[in-house]
Amino acid sequence: ETGVTQSPTHLIKTRGQQVTLRCSSQSGHNTVSWYQQALGQGPQFIFQYYREEENGRGNFPPRFSGLQFPNYSSELNVNALELDDSALYLCASSVWGVGTGELFFGEGSRLTVL
Amino acid sequence: GDSVTQMEGPVTLSEEAFLTINCTYTATGYPSLFWYVQYPGEGLQLLLKATKADDKGSNKGFEATYRKETTSFHLEKGSVQVSDSAVYFCALGGFRGAQKLVFGQGTRLTINP
Repeated sequence: ETGVTQSPTHLIKTRGQQVTLRCSSQSGHNTVSWYQQALGQGPQFIFQYYREEENGRGNFPPRFSGLQFPNYSSELNVNALELDDSALYLCASSVWGVGTGELFFGEGSRLTVL
Repeated sequence: GDSVTQMEGPVTLSEEAFLTINCTYTATGYPSLFWYVQYPGEGLQLLLKATKADDKGSNKGFEATYRKETTSFHLEKGSVQVSDSAVYFCALGGFRGAQKLVFGQGTRLTINP
């Protein structure tokens, strides 16, 4: 069984640039969620995708957007990067409507904005 | 809104000591409760969970009981090991059909030999 994989693992951008992060869900999972984890903080929910549509969004501005593809993989896009966007971005996968809310996480993409 | 409050860290213990990490929550409805662990350089891993009041989740010697009357889900282990050094996150979710998790701020645990 293949777990959740994310790329890239690390990247550095400058303020105002745009970034795309990628995630492959665990085999058999059809739902992908994205979380932002600032240094020393717990993960914060950004949004969730199911059937290629956004299904639930946290308190993040529209410059955070995403996609889900037919193979259930996903992208997180952030436009007009700000210094506060520096964080570990975690992708999690699950099966829609099954179970008790347990999520399976990747190792994350660490974004540094200079 | 829904929230989770964890005992502030960092926590430093000697090997074989007893561990308690406190977690309380605020939620409307009846969430599931989770403890996730993040080892250095790794992603979040589910440690244990409980889905209803009075349930006890357990794994790798860790235990936590879902206490609805005190809105708590404290993590305990009778004898910690150096390998337990990690950051521990309490979280709630799995309610109202959603799969969103609300996390606490995390507690960094260091075990000294």
